[in-house]
Amino acid sequence: SQQGEEDPQALSIQEGENATMNCSYKTSINNLQWYRQNSGRGLVHLILIRSNEREKHSGRLRVTLDTSKKSSSLLITASRAADTASYFCATDEGGGFKTIFGAGTRLFVKA
Amino acid sequence: SQTIHQWPATLVQPVGSPLSLECTVEGTSNPNLYWYRQAAGRGLQLLFYSVGIGQISSEVPQNLSASRPQDRQFILSSKKLLLSDSGFYLCAWTRGASKVGTEAFFGQGTRLTVV
Repeated sequence: SQQGEEDPQALSIQEGENATMNCSYKTSINNLQWYRQNSGRGLVHLILIRSNEREKHSGRLRVTLDTSKKSSSLLITASRAADTASYFCATDEGGGFKTIFGAGTRLFVKA
Repeated sequence: SQTIHQWPATLVQPVGSPLSLECTVEGTSNPNLYWYRQAAGRGLQLLFYSVGIGQISSEVPQNLSASRPQDRQFILSSKKLLLSDSGFYLCAWTRGASKVGTEAFFGQGTRLTVV
């Protein structure tokens, strides 16, 4: 089952612009994570936000979480061509062992 | 430091042939282990997960099976491959002994094409 659903499915921006991706989920969670995947490779963890947190920063990344709306957003500021990748949100679906991923947002940053 | 190895990187197999993909983790003990499949341009579908040796939970009833013969070894198998088994298979691990979701570490994936 799909827990997280990202929006938009694809995003194309110019280098230097900000990129915002959204994720919605269905059940209660203990935390939500964002991952990045370069084409044909494994996923790399970017950031984890716990259910009692509202905002978290890591370098050029800013993640927000609204548990009342069951949604999260990932903001990448001052994007670079190297940020071109697919970005996925993932949740622990009610606090269990399973990590469930959404369909992802494909980000293309034009130099 | 912990590392995860997944092989082979690419595989082309005929319909009806068997499959064995292997994943091993180093540098940690009692990890939770996962197999995911990713269709082209899509998200990850959880296939199996394991919280201990011999303990396998199946998420999607299908042509595949998983086994965990050792603490840090996770194997994905099929007796007879179908065309629909084609995809990108990813192994991942998280730290065990915790029910709270934690960061997942992924292997580099296996691109399986069934012809």
